[in-house]
Amino acid sequence: QVQLQESGPGLVKPSETLSLTCTVSGGSISGYYWNWIRQPPGRGLEWIGYIYYTGNTNYNPSLKSRITISVDTSKNQFSLKLNSVTAADAAVYYCARENWNYAAYGVDVWGQGTTVTVSS
Amino acid sequence: EIVLTQSPGTLSLSPGERATLSCRASQSVTLNYFAWYQQKPGQAPRLLIYGASSRATGVPDRFSGSGSGTDFTLTISRLEPEDFAVYYCQQYGSSPRTFGQGTKLEIK
Repeated sequence: QVQLQESGPGLVKPSETLSLTCTVSGGSISGYYWNWIRQPPGRGLEWIGYIYYTGNTNYNPSLKSRITISVDTSKNQFSLKLNSVTAADAAVYYCARENWNYAAYGVDVWGQGTTVTVSS
Repeated sequence: EIVLTQSPGTLSLSPGERATLSCRASQSVTLNYFAWYQQKPGQAPRLLIYGASSRATGVPDRFSGSGSGTDFTLTISRLEPEDFAVYYCQQYGSSPRTFGQGTKLEIK
């Protein structure tokens, strides 16, 4: 059973860089698309972007200028960096797997989410 | 970008009733790469339906998805107490991936 676990600081200062890592356990990072999705308090889901295990990325145009998603297959991890954060970036950040193996499953595995607060 | 609009925003029903949730896309969803997710308070979303009409592993058969092109529906045939939650639709056939704003299913 594949499990995802987000880690990183829960508090980031305005204008600084938010950095999160997702560790994949119980399965391989190979063969899948690895997503970051966020949810501001009391609001809906926003797709941030994904990285394929080979390193190919696809970002939300609304955030593209500020984000970098990377993968480390040797550690079964992928990471998100979001720079120049503001209060609008405060949210629960989820890492999630998008599965296209054998069928177009969509996002079939989610991490539990990590809350990021932006404050000085 | 494909904009997904869910209706209604809130649906008030009683256990045992039938629930019908709708999601309309601003343009046709590629090859019906369309999903429904359930989210309960304090939890991550859970995949219910993929490919517009296929149930994910472990999802009870009272959940069904239908539709194609721009109009999609999630039906819960007979509501159980654990079904009261927020439901999101998503298209994953084109980038950026997009979600609907959610439908809250609450107990009447």
